[in-house]
Amino acid sequence: NAGVTQTPKFQVLKTGQSMTLQCAQDMNHEYMSWYRQDPGMGLRLIHYSVGAGITDQGEVPNGYNVSRSTTEDFPLRLLSAAPSQTSVYFCASSPSLRNTQYFGPGTRLTVL
Amino acid sequence: RKEVEQDPGPFNVPEGATVAFNCTYSNSASQSFFWYRQDCRKEPKLLMSVYSSGNEDGRFTAQLNRASQYISLLIRDSKLSDSATYLCVVNGRGGADGLTFGKGTHLIIQP
Repeated sequence: NAGVTQTPKFQVLKTGQSMTLQCAQDMNHEYMSWYRQDPGMGLRLIHYSVGAGITDQGEVPNGYNVSRSTTEDFPLRLLSAAPSQTSVYFCASSPSLRNTQYFGPGTRLTVL
Repeated sequence: RKEVEQDPGPFNVPEGATVAFNCTYSNSASQSFFWYRQDCRKEPKLLMSVYSSGNEDGRFTAQLNRASQYISLLIRDSKLSDSATYLCVVNGRGGADGLTFGKGTHLIIQP
C-alpha cells in the first residue's frame, strides 16, 4: 500500500493564481481531511470529508474548496492564491472521525 | 482555555535521561487521545494511543488523567533519535471535526 500520497511536493504560485493540491489514499478510509501547518500555529483543519460526496468546513476554510467524488481522492483547490496561504499542507485519512489519522508527506506552498 | 495546550519547549535532555511532558485539554467530553511524533519537515506520525488505564510501548509510557484533563508522555533511556516534536492530539468539539492537535513540544536529545 502506498498509504496517503500528495502531489506536488513543492509549489510556488503568484498572487491570484489558482491551483489544486492532490491527495489520494489506498486504504479505503472513509474520513479524509486537509490541514495547514504554520510556524507557531500547529496543525489547523481546513476541510474534511466523512465519505464520498460529503464535505464540511474545518477551522480555516476561507479561500479553499474541496470535493470528494471518490473514496480515494480528496483534492484541495486554492481559488485565488494569497501570500497568507503560504504554508505546508497535509492531507490525512482515517477509518473514522476519532481514529488514528495517517498523513501524507505534505505540500510546501509559497505564494509570492 | 485553549482546546489542547502543550509547553512548546525546547526540552534539552542528555542521552539516556528520562523526560516527561504533559498536555492539557479543555473538552471534558473528549474520548480519544493520542501522541504523534513529527520530525523536522516531515508529516506527523502516530506514536501511541492513550488509554484510560495508561499504556506502555517499549521506552514510552502514556497516561491519561480525566479528572485534571491532561495526558502525559514519559520517555525512558532517551536516544538521539527521539529528537522530534511531540504532538498531543484529542478528539474535538463533539467529534464533528475529528481531532484537535496541540502545537507540539520540541524535544532535543543531546549526546
